[in-house]
Amino acid sequence: DVKVTQSSRYLVKRTGEKVFLECVQDMDHENMFWYRQDPGLGLRLIYFSYDVKMKEKGDIPEGYSVSREKKERFSLILESASTNQTSMYLCASGPNTGIFSYEQYFGPGTRLTVT
Amino acid sequence: QKEVEQDPGPLSVPEGAIVSLNCTYSNSAFQYFMWYRQYSRKGPELLMYTYSSGNKEDGRFTAQVDKSSKYISLFIRDSQPSDSATYLCAIRGNNRLAFGKGNQVVVIP
Repeated sequence: DVKVTQSSRYLVKRTGEKVFLECVQDMDHENMFWYRQDPGLGLRLIYFSYDVKMKEKGDIPEGYSVSREKKERFSLILESASTNQTSMYLCASGPNTGIFSYEQYFGPGTRLTVT
Repeated sequence: QKEVEQDPGPLSVPEGAIVSLNCTYSNSAFQYFMWYRQYSRKGPELLMYTYSSGNKEDGRFTAQVDKSSKYISLFIRDSQPSDSATYLCAIRGNNRLAFGKGNQVVVIP
């Protein structure tokens, strides 16, 4: 069974804090993704990575950075959290059958609230 | 124009009814068409995928693609309360996976 785990289910942070969201997958997948999901806006891609130390911007990278030092781990960093970053954050991984494989396996999500 | 459009309106049906969901997309070059299911407080999971026009069945679920109209559909037969979830269409093309906004489906016992 594919397993994608995220470090926290719920997180509350203050404006201006640096926030780390961690994601780990156990299927040796090359591709990993970070999305945010908001009501009425759906899933929006923040960043993705197709290899260790590689990263590409998605649709909404502003205010975020990522790190992929190991194949199984992909971290999302909010350098200075703001209230408009309150959202559900979803990590996904997928095999390298093309960069955007139709197969993406999602973690359970982290509900981040910035106050 | 958005790459994929999905009317996000919620849908309530009685148990046993047929559920019909659909999405439209803008680019005729899009190739792979997927449906993801997302239960409350969980991440989406891949339900079905197809890459050609026509129907694909998997148990009570049928995915339909009409490339000439750029229209994809998901049908759920004999719906069960356990089918209550949000259903997102997703389309792969232009080197990205574009998701619809999702339809919340509630099956009432």
